[in-house]
Order: sequence, then C-alpha cells, then structure tokens
Amino acid sequence: SQQGEEDPQALSIQEGENATMNCSYKTSINNLQWYRQNSGRGLVHLILIRSNEREKHSGRLRVTLDTSKKSSSLLITASRAADTASYFCATSGPGTYKYIFGTGTRLKVLA
Amino acid sequence: GAGVSQTPSNKVTEKGKYVELRCDPISGHTALYWYRQSLGQGPEFLIYFQGTGAADDSGLPNDRFFAVRPEGSVSTLKIQRTERGDSAVYLCASSPGRTSGYEQYFGPGTRLTVT
Repeated sequence: SQQGEEDPQALSIQEGENATMNCSYKTSINNLQWYRQNSGRGLVHLILIRSNEREKHSGRLRVTLDTSKKSSSLLITASRAADTASYFCATSGPGTYKYIFGTGTRLKVLA
Repeated sequence: GAGVSQTPSNKVTEKGKYVELRCDPISGHTALYWYRQSLGQGPEFLIYFQGTGAADDSGLPNDRFFAVRPEGSVSTLKIQRTERGDSAVYLCASSPGRTSGYEQYFGPGTRLTVT
C-alpha cells in the first residue's frame, strides 16, 4: 500500500510556537500534497511538492521531501489558534493521479 | 468564483435502499475525485475521472458502488442496496488536472447515514 502515515497523531502547542508534522509513505511517488481540514469542514489544499523537489514554502508553511527516506514534513511557523485543524498528506504514484491520504495529524494550538 | 458543491448535504436512508450523491465541480476542471471519510480517519479514495471516463476506479469497495460523469462535468455516485457500513461522509474534489499537478479542491461533503 502506498498510504501515508502522519506522525504524530496528535500535537498540542502554544500559540506562537512552531508545529512540525511528518508523513511517511511506502512506495515511489509522483508528487505529495498536504491538506488541512477544520473540524466538520472540507479539506483545503496547502502545498504540492513534486518528487524532484526537496523544499517548498508558502507563507508560514514549509514542506520538505526526502524521497530516499520516503518521508515529508510540514512545518508551520508562528502558529495561531486558527491553525487548529487536522493535517493530511496525500501521495500519488508514478504514472497515476490517484491520491492516497494518510491518517492525519490533529493539531491543537492553544491561545 | 463558485467552489465544488455537493448535494444533498445530509442523507439518511434505510438499509437496502438506493442512493445517489451529486457533485458539481469547479467549471473547467477536468479531473474529479470521490472519497469517503469516516470519523477520525483520512479520506479513502474511491474513484477518479479524467473528463468523462473513469481513470481509476480501484477504490470502489464492491459492485454496489458506481459513479458516472457523462458530460465531463457533474458526477453522480450511486450506491445500491445500502448497508450500515456505508455510513460515512462522501467527499468530492475537482482538479484543473495536469497543469496544476492535480491539486484538489474539495466540496463540503455529503453525510450518508444508513439506518
């Protein structure tokens, strides 16, 4: 299975701190995406990183990809209460755009 | 602009009944995905379309599940002889396709409850 697994399953931090979440996967990928899901709402796309890229930034978000370790990390800097959500990675394999989502990290940012 | 919409937002049905769930994607998006999500879990892939054709339907759990996208826009997920285990939130997403790397825009979901 290609399914990603996020680590940790749950994370609780103070506002202003940085939050790091990791995603590990099992087979070669085409690209990897990170999504956020607020409680009871739909998923929102955050960042897409291709297999030939190592790092991408978007505002307070930084994503790294290490294909040799089959892992990715999402860093949220200077977290805010509004960042409280579940975060999922999703991977697609070579030659396909079928995406498999991980189990998610539940982030809670305390004001 | 308008996002992805799904109807109904909630559906309660009795075991054994037939249901249809509808997805209206963002205009011009060539790819459309269906997932289902159970509480505390990540979305589970069901099927995705590229245009009118199903590019990959390997996630459909059995032959009670079927999806169509006849004109390459609106899609309908059809579930026959529903079972209590089918209860979940069914999510639809659309994507511009190759130019974007297939980043997906999700709808709010349809919560299906089978009693």
